[in-house]
Amino acid sequence: QLQLQESGPGLVKPSETLSLTCTVSGGSISSSSYYWGWIRQPPGKGLEWIGSIYYSGSTYYNPSLKSRVTISVDTSKNQFSLKLSSVTAADTAVYYCARQRQWLVHNWFDPWGQGTLVTVSS
Amino acid sequence: EIVMTQSPATLSVSPGERATLSCRASQSVSSNLAWYQQKPGQAPRLLIYGASTRATGIPARFSGSGSGTEFTLTISSLQSEDFAVYYCQQYNNWPPLPITFGQGTRLEIK
Repeated sequence: QLQLQESGPGLVKPSETLSLTCTVSGGSISSSSYYWGWIRQPPGKGLEWIGSIYYSGSTYYNPSLKSRVTISVDTSKNQFSLKLSSVTAADTAVYYCARQRQWLVHNWFDPWGQGTLVTVSS
Repeated sequence: EIVMTQSPATLSVSPGERATLSCRASQSVSSNLAWYQQKPGQAPRLLIYGASTRATGIPARFSGSGSGTEFTLTISSLQSEDFAVYYCQQYNNWPPLPITFGQGTRLEIK
């Protein structure tokens, strides 16, 4: 059974860079037909797609965050990572990683990691 | 960016009754829509993709319908474990167009 686990600092200072890693277990990150995505959820609010990566390194980002986001993959460790630069309090959220299945024209996120709360505060 | 609007924001329904949740897209997304359920303190769980295809292990009481700009998630007979927040997600023409989610509908016990 595929599982994803986010890890990284729970507190980041304003203007610094948020860095998170998602470790995939129970399956290979190099599987075809799958992308790997990051989604975030501010406290009490809805979901926002941040970006996705294929095992080859191809990336797609939300235009609203593109200037600050970098997603990378390490197939040798079965991990993918998120970096978000110049953070502000508005970036405080639970950050989820998820497997993104691509089948024909369809794209859905399943399964998801448990999520990790990142707070931006000095 | 395609904006997804869910209604109502909160829906109060009694156990055993039917719940109907709506999701509207700002422009056509064909059938490129998924639904998720999220319980407090948990990650979202996939329910439906392709607007009407249930994900593996999802009970038959969950059904999705619609295409274009209007979509519906119906829960035919509410069980206690169904009270949660539900999100729709469109993925039309991804990539390169961005994936977007609705703001959610909270389904609460009446």
